[in-house]
Amino acid sequence: AQSVTQLGSHVSVSEGALVLLRCNYSSSVPPYLFWYVQYPNQGLQLLLKYTTGATLVKGINGFEAEFKKSETSFHLTKPSAHMSDAAEYFCAVSTNTGFQKLVFGTGTRLLVSP
Amino acid sequence: DSGVTQTPKHLITATGQRVTLRCSPRSGDLSVYWYQQSLDQGLQFLIQYYNGEERAKGNILERFSAQQFPDLHSELNLSSLELGDSALYFCASALAGGLATDTQYFGPGTRLTVL
Repeated sequence: AQSVTQLGSHVSVSEGALVLLRCNYSSSVPPYLFWYVQYPNQGLQLLLKYTTGATLVKGINGFEAEFKKSETSFHLTKPSAHMSDAAEYFCAVSTNTGFQKLVFGTGTRLLVSP
Repeated sequence: DSGVTQTPKHLITATGQRVTLRCSPRSGDLSVYWYQQSLDQGLQFLIQYYNGEERAKGNILERFSAQQFPDLHSELNLSSLELGDSALYFCASALAGGLATDTQYFGPGTRLTVL
């Protein structure tokens, strides 16, 4: 079975500071990994995904994540936080064969202060 | 705007009742997924349909059922509602058969409150 652990239900940063949201996964097969963002009163939007190839993945809004197999991690980073980044972020894992079945983490709420 | 529409936006009902949530996927998408988001359970996959056929099941209760119609819209039916069914229900759509590399596009959700 696959699972995702997101460390920290809340992360607070100042505007302009580095954003680091942590995600560790558990999977018996090579995983596909995803980061989604949920703004208040909205659905989820895909930020980026890792399937195959380059382990450093760049997404929308300046976010990127690096797949580290040895650490079973897929942490999300952004060099400089913006007020508009305040939202809830979900890491998800899926098998790399057959049909996509996303298993989500519990989410991390990012708070950005001026 | 993801292109996925869900109706209604809010639904308030009583325990024991039955409700139907509707989802229209993005134009051209054949797969529809349903998710439940609640404070205690988090975001959970319920069920997936592809081109009218059930493709995968997750943590869906027996009181819940879904279907996808020939025009590809989908409905999630929730019956014998309990207080614990209060949650945000999301629909997502994807282009193909829900292949592992697909991107799922999420609708804005239906907030169900059971009183």
